[in-house]
Formats: sequence, structure tokens, C-alpha cells
Amino acid sequence: EIVLTQSPGTLSLSPGERATLSCRASQNVRNNYLAWYQQKPGQAPRLLIYGTSSRATGIPDRFSGSGSGTDFTLTISRLEPEDFAVYYCQQYGTSRTFGQGTKLEIK
Amino acid sequence: EVQLVESGGGVVRPGGSLRLSCAASGFAFGDYGMSWVRQVPGKGLEWVSAVNWNGGHTDYADSVRGRFTISRDNARNSLYLQLNTLRADDTAFYHCARKIEVPWHNAFDLWGQGTMVTVSS
Repeated sequence: EIVLTQSPGTLSLSPGERATLSCRASQNVRNNYLAWYQQKPGQAPRLLIYGTSSRATGIPDRFSGSGSGTDFTLTISRLEPEDFAVYYCQQYGTSRTFGQGTKLEIK
Repeated sequence: EVQLVESGGGVVRPGGSLRLSCAASGFAFGDYGMSWVRQVPGKGLEWVSAVNWNGGHTDYADSVRGRFTISRDNARNSLYLQLNTLRADDTAFYHCARKIEVPWHNAFDLWGQGTMVTVSS
């Protein structure tokens, strides 16, 4: 099983700042099949990015994904108040596994 | 409205069984692969099982293989998960999720709110 490790566990930033979230895989993610989700309290996850860097329908362009192999990054260029949430990465190159999440909180 | 609505959760004793349902509406259900993903309250996500568009191919996480069975009825726009030999560590919210309509990409672009399964004596 591919284990995904997200860092940091918690990220404290202010609106307008840039956020960089990391997802590291225990082995290469085949075809860079990696996705990112946002989850707010009491809500279901929302797909942001698939295939490492493709934005899902309706996702603002301040969200971007990058990386390859075992190291992947989600970047939020300028934080809006509604961006504070928990973010999960998911690989689907070999079965499907999720990272443990990064909580993005207001500083 | 495009949505997924789960039902069938509840409290069950260890070793017991439960059948979860997911009702799809607002889209062509039969065109999409579907999955179940679970989440312990306050914790992370764990993929459980997947089925392709016509039910001909299924896949399971190692933690549930041999105990859970996924199925679908496209005529009823419904997805199911049969949970047998339940254990305490199966306690979680169970979400159904739709695979995106991009070939080869098993990411999930539509999720239900989930139904809670509690395994306790």
C-alpha cells in the first residue's frame, strides 16, 4: 500500500498569504495520479485538483498543484477567508489511498 | 439537483451486518464509476471499495476485502455496500462518491454527506 504523508499537520496563515501544502508518497505514484480535496467542518470533501495539476470544474485558479514521483504540492496563491479548511491528498495510481490531512487555520 | 444521499447506517454489534444504500439523482448514474469512502469523525479519509459503471468490476481495500460487498442497480440509480462481520474499527461515516468523468482518473468529484455506522456491544 502506498502511504501518503502530508505536512505540515497544521498551517497557520493570514488571508492574502500564500499557502504551500506537501504530500509525500512512500513509493512512486504511477502516472502522477494524485488528487487534492478540501473539507470544511460538517461538509463532504470537495475535489480541487486531479492528475497532480488539473483543476476540477469550478475551482478558482488560485489553487494549483505540482509535483511528480513521490513529492507533490498544493499551492494556494492568495488565501481567501473561505480557504481555511482541512486538505487531503489522494493517490490513485495503485489502488487508492489518502493522506492524513493538513489543517489550514487562520493565524 | 445533482446529489448523492446515503442511508442505512446505524448501531450494530460486533460480528453483525448492515446494508448501506446511496441514492443518486440529477445525473446519468449508469455512466459513472462509484466508490465508498469512510471517515472516522474528526479523522481522515479511507477508501473502502469501488465499482465500475456496469458493476462488472469491483475493488476493495485490504481492510474490508472478504467482509464487504459493493453493488449497484443502475435502473434504480442506486449504489449499495453490504457490511458483514463488522468490527469496532469499522465505525465511521460512510460516504458514497462519484468517480470523475475523465478516463483513467479515479478521483471523486461528487460526494454524499455520509451515513454513520457504529459497531459497539
